[in-house]
Amino acid sequence: KAGVTQTPRYLIKTRGQQVTLSCSPISGHRSVSWYQQTPGQGLQFLFEYFSETQRNKGNFPGRFSGRQFSNSRSEMNVSTLELGDSALYLCASSSPTGGLGYTFGSGTRLTVV
Amino acid sequence: ILNVEQSPQSLHVQEGDSTNFTCSFPSSNFYALHWYRWETAKSPEALFVMTLNGDEKKKGRISATLNTKEGYSYLYIKGSQPEDSATYLCAFSSGNMLTFGGGTRLMVKP
Repeated sequence: KAGVTQTPRYLIKTRGQQVTLSCSPISGHRSVSWYQQTPGQGLQFLFEYFSETQRNKGNFPGRFSGRQFSNSRSEMNVSTLELGDSALYLCASSSPTGGLGYTFGSGTRLTVV
Repeated sequence: ILNVEQSPQSLHVQEGDSTNFTCSFPSSNFYALHWYRWETAKSPEALFVMTLNGDEKKKGRISATLNTKEGYSYLYIKGSQPEDSATYLCAFSSGNMLTFGGGTRLMVKP
């Protein structure tokens, strides 16, 4: 059974650019969540999608957005990148009937220069 | 803003030592408490999901307890091995999102 797949693994962008990260959940999982990890802040919740609808959003500026497709794959977009957006971005998927567990991907390491 | 705290932040133990960490969380609007193990360059791996006050879960040498009334959970590792070296994260769930603590970084010396 394939795990949660995130692409790309590493990314270097210039300040002011925008970036799109992709997450493919475990087959059958309809919920996808995104988290940001920075050294000073730990893992922080960005947003969660279920059946193409955003159900929850964390305390991040509007430059951070996401979407989910009908096949449950999700993308997150960050516009007008800032140096402080450099972080590890993790996504996690969960099954509506599989208990409460989340399975995480390996993450995308974004560096903004 | 939910506050989930873990202590200690880091821990160095010798192989064979037993150890434990603490996670404290809000006792209101509790849904579930998750424990994850996160090794460098890998994905966080789910250890336990705990929902009921008084819950105790065990996986090999690792076990966890939960007290939802006072808002804390303990994670125990019996007879630590070098391969247990990782960051252990707890996360509070009040629905469709997880609020993580800062983690406890465990280093086990052979």
